[in-house]
Amino acid sequence: SAVISQKPSRDICQRGTSLTIQCQVDSQVTMMFWYRQQPGQSLTLIATANQGSEATYESGFVIDKFPISRPNLTFSTLTVSNMSPEDSSIYLCSARGGQGHNEQFFGPGTRLTVL
Amino acid sequence: AQSVTQPDIHITVSEGASLELRCNYSYGATPYLFWYVQSPGQGLQLLLKYFSGDTLVQGIKGFEAEFKRSQSSFNLRKPSVHWSDAAEYFCAWNSGNTPLVFGKGTRLSVIA
Repeated sequence: SAVISQKPSRDICQRGTSLTIQCQVDSQVTMMFWYRQQPGQSLTLIATANQGSEATYESGFVIDKFPISRPNLTFSTLTVSNMSPEDSSIYLCSARGGQGHNEQFFGPGTRLTVL
Repeated sequence: AQSVTQPDIHITVSEGASLELRCNYSYGATPYLFWYVQSPGQGLQLLLKYFSGDTLVQGIKGFEAEFKRSQSSFNLRKPSVHWSDAAEYFCAWNSGNTPLVFGKGTRLSVIA
């Protein structure tokens, strides 16, 4: 199994600023992902974080707004740029090793409030 | 589009009663299917998964799910619900090396 930690656990930010969320996995994993969970909603995939190359973004999400880094097999960051109140959500880091049927683990999430 | 659908937004059951949460998938082949639970203020926990073999899958906390290809369903069941089962339940799927895609979730309330 993999244990995922995220920092910060929560933050309150002003409109127009940016926040970088860090994700650390306690073991090397093949794949890392970032999800968003808006209040009372399900999880929506933002992007797949690729080691050493640009992230793969889902429809509706762009690199300029959500730049992602993955410098190695255990660490990734997600930046929420030029924030607006609509960005208020929980952001979850996720990771999986190996094949698709393997368990995909989730971090505890970062609760972001934008004023 | 390939997806999972959870038709029930909110279900209320009495403690001790049986539970069935519905999940239907839309995919040309057999997907990998999962059920996760998210308790208030908590992270996501995997209850069980199916990817091949026996179509009745046992999970943690007394949950089970049955994969029915003919109905494109993967419903979650529990014979006797406890108050602590009140939570949000998500059905999810992937194929190959793709990331998990989640259904909209079903909120379970348990009453005395």
